[in-house]
Amino acid sequence: SQQGEEDPQALSIQEGENATMNCSYKTSINNLQWYRQNSGRGLVHLILIRSNEREKHSGRLRVTLDTSKKSSSLLITASRAADTASYFCASGGSQGNLIFGKGTKLSVKP
Amino acid sequence: GAVVSQHPSWVICKSGTSVKIECRSLDFQATTMFWYRQFPKQSLMLMATSNEGSKATYEQGVEKDKFLINHASLTLSTLTVTSAHPEDSSFYICSARPRDRNYEQYFGPGTRLTVT
Repeated sequence: SQQGEEDPQALSIQEGENATMNCSYKTSINNLQWYRQNSGRGLVHLILIRSNEREKHSGRLRVTLDTSKKSSSLLITASRAADTASYFCASGGSQGNLIFGKGTKLSVKP
Repeated sequence: GAVVSQHPSWVICKSGTSVKIECRSLDFQATTMFWYRQFPKQSLMLMATSNEGSKATYEQGVEKDKFLINHASLTLSTLTVTSAHPEDSSFYICSARPRDRNYEQYFGPGTRLTVT
């Protein structure tokens, strides 16, 4: 599987600040999904944005998708220490398979 | 709803032995299950896709004779690492896709395998 790139690889911010993570992918997609992973744990699904959508919100999360640039961004507003985790984007193909990006490790300091 | 379990959560085994990892969808039927491998500080790499009642489809570079996958029912898939070596030590994560919901996957909590 070809993986996309995520940017930055690591991000450290203070509680209350916003965190923005970017993701690029290589193939055409049906959807793009963002997941969160706490250290040594499984993945938690955060949000799915379809290829015909440009922006989606869920609580403190805002996701954008630019299919012409094959890129997506995840914004977490008013971050909390509990948001500390690794965040992965995954591009979804027409067969339902997922190709994961390399991930961004977010650290939110209280 | 949509809970996926894995067993065991961690396992230590000796080189040359085989280890079986179970992935169960607890409250839904999964026609397709996926097995991923994750090395420390790296992303998930898809190893294989398993469909209930048929042979698994392996990704390029994954040895099907070493990583045996069985999807015997709509709620259970197993991954057996045969003749394990220290380089097989990794975090193995499964996911399950509900019937008729092609774009959703629910992930298990993962199994940490250490081969000594």
